[in-house]
Amino acid sequence: SQQGEEDPQALSIQEGENATMNCSYKTSINNLQWYRQNSGRGLVHLILIRSNEREKHSGRLRVTLDTSKKSSSLLITASRAADTASYFCATDSNDYKLSFGAGTTVTVRA
Amino acid sequence: DAGVIQSPRHEVTEMGQEVTLRCKPISGHDYLFWYRQTMMRGLELLIYFNNNVPIDDSGMPEDRFSAKMPNASFSTLKIQPSEPRDSAVYFCASSPGQGHEQFFGPGTRLTVL
Repeated sequence: SQQGEEDPQALSIQEGENATMNCSYKTSINNLQWYRQNSGRGLVHLILIRSNEREKHSGRLRVTLDTSKKSSSLLITASRAADTASYFCATDSNDYKLSFGAGTTVTVRA
Repeated sequence: DAGVIQSPRHEVTEMGQEVTLRCKPISGHDYLFWYRQTMMRGLELLIYFNNNVPIDDSGMPEDRFSAKMPNASFSTLKIQPSEPRDSAVYFCASSPGQGHEQFFGPGTRLTVL
């Protein structure tokens, strides 16, 4: 079953703009992870944020986590054509199984 | 390291046939996961192993599905007999420990006619 739900389902932006997507989940978590999937490929891990962290950065990525609202956001700054992909949040609960959301499809227009 | 290796990359078979998907995890990773991805249901965890032992197979849809991990460097997912609704992309992933990131293979696209 999917615990995480991403919003929006799809996003289209111009190259150079920022892209923001959100993830909401239902139960308490140990950590939350974001993955990227290019068309026809496997998922690639982007960033992991633990339940006691509020914000984390990795290059052009910024992730926030609000455990009181059970939500997370992924911000991609200065987007590039290569950022075109689907982005998934995955929650890691007490059973250490990752539960993936349905994903946000991001299209970056040149 | 070559990453997680899966074979075959594509498989087309007819209903009723046996299908075997293969996975080689990253060396040193203690956890191995099998997922199935479809448009309708998204990414679903089928089963995962820790140190070659199946820990949770609650996601395996039916008795037609079985998975084994005879050693630390090899796992199989078998579907017998296959049905058209099994058509999906099957991913294998490995992880060095609990609560760590998972490394995904390129997937096997299965089509059952």
